[in-house]
Order: sequence, then C-alpha cells, then structure tokens
Amino acid sequence: AQSVTQLDSQVPVFEEAPVELRCNYSSSVSVYLFWYVQYPNQGLQLLLKYLSGSTLVKGINGFEAEFNKSQTSFHLRKPSVHISDTAEYFCAVRRYNNNDMRFGAGTRLTVKP
Amino acid sequence: DVKVTQSSRYLVKRTGEKVFLECVQDMDHENMFWYRQDPGLGLRLIYFSYDVKMKEKGDIPEGYSVSREKKERFSLILESASTNQTSMYLCASSFPTGASYGYTFGSGTRLTVV
Repeated sequence: AQSVTQLDSQVPVFEEAPVELRCNYSSSVSVYLFWYVQYPNQGLQLLLKYLSGSTLVKGINGFEAEFNKSQTSFHLRKPSVHISDTAEYFCAVRRYNNNDMRFGAGTRLTVKP
Repeated sequence: DVKVTQSSRYLVKRTGEKVFLECVQDMDHENMFWYRQDPGLGLRLIYFSYDVKMKEKGDIPEGYSVSREKKERFSLILESASTNQTSMYLCASSFPTGASYGYTFGSGTRLTVV
C-alpha cells in the first residue's frame, strides 16, 4: 500500500516570506499526487495535483508543487504567503487504477503579520 | 459545483448510542468515502464504496459500518458509540478508477461522544 509522510507538523512564517511544505511518499507502483488545504471548520479543498507530464504543477492561490520521482517527494511552495494562507495542508497519494487515497498527517501553516 | 453535504456539523451523543452520519453528493459520483480526522494523525480511511450496495473496509473499520442503498447517499454507522470515536468525520466522493480526479469533500461532522 502507498503511504505519505509530511515532514513538518507545524510551519510558522511571516507574511510575504516564502514557504515550503514537505511531502514524501512511498509506493511500489505509479501514483497520482495531490495537495489539499483545510481552512478552519471546513472540509478539504483541492489545491493542485500531479498526474503526469511536467513535474512542476501550479495550483490555486499562487501555490505550486514539484514532483521528484527519484526522491519520491512532492513539496508544496509559495514564494510569498499571506495571512489568509493560514490553514492545514494535506499531501495525498492515489495509486493508478485504485480508488482510495492516502493522506499525510497534515502541516499546519501559520502566517504571522 | 459539485456538492457533498453532510447532514450535521456538530453532534453530541452518549456512550452506547447508535449513531448515523449521513452524506449526500449531487454529482453522480460512483465512489464515496468516510474518513476520520484526528490531530497529528491526518485523515484515516474508515470505509469506502464503489457502487450502490458495495462497500470496502479501509484502514480503521472497527466499530463502524456503512450503508449505500442509493448512489448519492453514503451513511456511516457507529453501532455503539464510544468516547474514542470522538472525532471529525469527513465524507468525500469521486469518479471511479482511471479518472485522474481528486476527491470532493463535505464540510465535516464533529462528533463528541460523552
């Protein structure tokens, strides 16, 4: 089965600073990769996904992520964060031809003024 | 927009009660899922369903059952609620295998068992 490790449980940053949220996965087969965001008291919302092709994928709200097959990583980045980016972020992996998705434990991003 | 609707945002139940959590989606998705979310543990899959009347166990099915009598509705049942089932429960739906879609999530039900 596939698994996902988010390397940081909490990431505090100041407004307008760059941020990277780290995600590593393990799987014996090819996978799709996703990042979701959860704002307080809400469900999860899709930020971006990697399916195939270009390893750099762009998502909503200025986020992007890079798929690195050799390092089995899918780190999420934003060059300049806003207060409104404060939320919990989940990395997830779904195997080809498989229905269920596995999530990491989440990274709580706190943007300070 | 696809909508996944969970019938309750907050629930408080007593130990030993039978609890029903309801989820309805309006996008004709074949797949539906129930997760529980706990701090530091992320989302853990309880049960999922590929089609009406079909169900598969996820990683933590103990103490739970599910029902899918109609395509749009997927119910999670706590047969005899216990305090360790206090959690946030999230329902999701998606198109089936081979379609490179993510999931659409409901807003969650925060269940407290006292």
